[in-house]
Amino acid sequence: QQQVKQSPQSLIVQKGGISIINCAYENTAFDYFPWYQQFPGKGPALLIAIRPDVSEKKEGRFTISFNKSAKQFSLHIMDSQPGDSATYFCAASMKGGGNKLTFGTGTQLKVEL
Amino acid sequence: DTEVTQTPKHLVMGMTNKKSLKCEQHMGHRAMYWYKQKAKKPPELMFVYSYEKLSINESVPSRFSPECPNSSLLNLHLHALQPEDSALYLCASSQDVVGGYGYTFGSGTRLTVV
Repeated sequence: QQQVKQSPQSLIVQKGGISIINCAYENTAFDYFPWYQQFPGKGPALLIAIRPDVSEKKEGRFTISFNKSAKQFSLHIMDSQPGDSATYFCAASMKGGGNKLTFGTGTQLKVEL
Repeated sequence: DTEVTQTPKHLVMGMTNKKSLKCEQHMGHRAMYWYKQKAKKPPELMFVYSYEKLSINESVPSRFSPECPNSSLLNLHLHALQPEDSALYLCASSQDVVGGYGYTFGSGTRLTVV
């Protein structure tokens, strides 16, 4: 029940296209859903996050869509650029959980010219 | 200062060595974390410190020993490691351990045990 399932494992998108990464969770106690971006040799960096009382959050080219009833959330990267090529992790945490993050398995995104 | 600084960036150690990893943040964050990350895998939580006290130990072997000397510093002492402990060790901080605070990660220490 602690798992966060992420798909796809890898993704190739053309420059200017839309990249979509999906995550699903089981534990309804999760109440905070961040996305992290990680470049090779670097630590993950917080990209955008959402709480379940909101169905969508947009920051620049990055949008999280959240479906509470389906227990799913997704990251959309609009106008994908080669510089977006990285590994993306979804995650979830819950109140009273020590702010412990449960990570998805990761998606390796490559944006081609 | 919005960074988490980890030193060293790379470390090679023998199985009988003792070494320490260091982590520093000056954002006033009261929660600090150690994560371990294997290649092509998500980070795995090792320890959580809240207000300088150990609050979560994810059943980590005793050859890993965390220490939080003050609110800005976090150490991970290593002793008698195994080759399978080779990984990227990430330190992170957040405002609090109450749920819903994003982490700031450091760039990690790439550890190789020979």
